Amino acid sequence: AQSVAQPEDQVNVAEGNPLTVKCTYSVSGNPYLFWYVQYPNRGLQFLLKYITGDNLVKGSYGFEAEFNKSQTSFHLKKPSALVSDSALYFCAGGNNNDMRFGAGTRLTVKP
Amino acid sequence: NAGVTQTPKFRILKIGQSMTLQCTQDMNHNYMYWYRQDPGMGLKLIYYSVGAGITDKGEVPNGYNVSRSTTEDFPLRLELAAPSQTSVYFCASTLFGAEQFFGPGTRLTVL
Repeated sequence: AQSVAQPEDQVNVAEGNPLTVKCTYSVSGNPYLFWYVQYPNRGLQFLLKYITGDNLVKGSYGFEAEFNKSQTSFHLKKPSALVSDSALYFCAGGNNNDMRFGAGTRLTVKP
Repeated sequence: NAGVTQTPKFRILKIGQSMTLQCTQDMNHNYMYWYRQDPGMGLKLIYYSVGAGITDKGEVPNGYNVSRSTTEDFPLRLELAAPSQTSVYFCASTLFGAEQFFGPGTRLTVL
């Protein structure tokens, strides 16, 4: 069965420092991989995706993610965190008929 | 474009009652989904549809039913509400291979 794992429930970083939110996947075939962000009492919002092509994907709000096929990972990164980046982040992977979401990682950026 | 809209925003049901969660999208997306989000569990796919007249089960379909009579609408039906169905429900839509667009969610409590 396909699955996506986010090994960290919580990530804390100081404002201005780089951040990484980890994601690993077990998806058959060529994976479609996504990152979404969720703010309180809101639906998920798309950040970026990997379908094919360059392993480094750039997305909204300065976020980027690196697809690593050998490690089956798709970690989310940002060079300099903002307090406003504090939110719940979800990794997702699969295809249109079977998209699996990770359990989510709560990112807290402290001033 | 309104995007994906869901009604109601909140609902409290008694055990054994039934209700329909409404979902509408105005982006002419062929794929539509229903997810439930439980704390610390990420999103679980309940049902999905690849187009009008076509629906299929996701990971956790028991206790739910769907229909897709038009491209725009994808209602989710709970026939006999149970406490285990207390959750936040999200509807989403997409085109093939693209990111999903999520509605604002319906918070359902079954007492």
